[in-house]
Amino acid sequence: QQPVQSPQAVILREGEDAVINCSSSKALYSVHWYRQKHGEAPVFLMILLKGGEQKGHDKISASFNEKKQQSSLYLTASQLSYSGTYFCGTVNSGAGSYQLTFGKGTKLSVIP
Amino acid sequence: DSGVTQTPKHLITATGQRVTLRCSPRSGDLSVYWYQQSLDQGLQFLIQYYNGEERAKGNILERFSAQQFPDLHSELNLSSLELGDSALYFCASSPRPWTGDHYGYTFGSGTRLTVV
Repeated sequence: QQPVQSPQAVILREGEDAVINCSSSKALYSVHWYRQKHGEAPVFLMILLKGGEQKGHDKISASFNEKKQQSSLYLTASQLSYSGTYFCGTVNSGAGSYQLTFGKGTKLSVIP
Repeated sequence: DSGVTQTPKHLITATGQRVTLRCSPRSGDLSVYWYQQSLDQGLQFLIQYYNGEERAKGNILERFSAQQFPDLHSELNLSSLELGDSALYFCASSPRPWTGDHYGYTFGSGTRLTVV
C-alpha cells in the first residue's frame, strides 16, 4: 500500500521551516525518509521504528505516530542545499515481508 | 560515490528488444533491491534479493526477471521492451533484508533506459 505524502510541493525562502507528512492506511512497522536531488540517486536521511521515537539529522528531524500511522519530517531554518524531492518509504506491520514502499514524493524548493 | 555500482548509466534500445542491467552492492551488504522510477509513478518496488534468494516481489512485470549471483551482484533482465518501460532503474542495497534496524538503503546512481 503506497503511503500518501503531503504537500506535493512547497517553496520556501532560506531560513523558513517546513513540514512534510506521510500517512499510511495500514499499520506501520517503520518509516524511512530519503532526499533526491534532480538527476541523482535518493539519499537515506533517517529511519523511524514503531514506538513514536523522534530522530534528528542536523536541522532535519522526524516523528512517527504509530497510532495515527503517520510520520512527519521537519526541516528547520532551511538552506539552499535542502532543495530536492523528499520521499517517505513505509514497511507495513505483519506484511510477511519487508518491502519498502515509497510515496510519490514532496518537491521542496528553497530560494534565496 | 555511494558504493553501489550500476551499469550501464544510459541505455537506448528499440521496442521488442531485451536488455540487462547490472548492480554491484555496497561492500558488506547482502540484500539488493530494484526500483523503477518514472515521472508520474515515483519509486516503484520491483524485487528484492538476499544472499542469492528472492525475498520479496513488487509490481514486477512477467517480462522482467532478476537474479542475485554468489558474488552478490544482481542483474535485472527486461525483455520484449515497450515504450512505457522507459524509466530510471535504481538498484539499492542494505546489510540485511529487513528494516527493523537502523540501516537505510544505499542507492546506486541508476540506469536510464530509453525505449524508442
